Amino acid sequence: EVQLVESGGGLVQPGRSLKLSCLASGFTFSNYGMNWIRQAPGKGLEWVASISSSSSYIYYADTVKGRFTISRDNAKNTLYLQMTSLRSEDTALYYCARHSLGAPFDYWGQGVMVTVSS
Amino acid sequence: DIQMTQSPSSMSASLGDRVTITCRASQDIGNYLSWFQQKPGKSPRRMIYGATNLAAGVPSRFSGSRSGSDYSLTISSLESEDMAIYYCLQSIQYPRTFGGGTKLELK
Repeated sequence: EVQLVESGGGLVQPGRSLKLSCLASGFTFSNYGMNWIRQAPGKGLEWVASISSSSSYIYYADTVKGRFTISRDNAKNTLYLQMTSLRSEDTALYYCARHSLGAPFDYWGQGVMVTVSS
Repeated sequence: DIQMTQSPSSMSASLGDRVTITCRASQDIGNYLSWFQQKPGKSPRRMIYGATNLAAGVPSRFSGSRSGSDYSLTISSLESEDMAIYYCLQSIQYPRTFGGGTKLELK
């Protein structure tokens, strides 16, 4: 069974940093691209970042470019999102999701909440 | 960036109704269109990918279609468990973009 479990969220002050993790199981992690998608309270879905299976290709939304870094450790079956210079508008539920060719976001984690507030 | 314009933003329908939700892409996205269902407090669930392909485990009353740059999600006979917010997604290019969502409620 495919499972994606996010962790690392919490309350953080504006301007500070936070690192999210997503532990994958039930599939060969190194064969799949991975993504972070977020959802602000009461709002829609916003794609944040993507990373290819071997980390060769990385993409970011303009809203986080230069502040967030997506990475992965295939030996640990774990996806990361390093978030710096956090702003109140980064407050959201952050999901990790898997993708493969022609099959975007086929599995999602349960999400982890990040609240940016003083 | 490709804009995905989803309509309606909300709708109410009765059990057994045929329901259609539409997304229009601002550029050609071919068949790189997926539909997701999100119920309150739950993670999104992929329903349709490649514009017309039913994801595993999704009931056959759901279907996807394309007419030019317009993409539709149709529920042939609405059931109570289908009440949710539905989102479309284009995956032909980065940044990936979602539609604004359609909240489907029971009349």
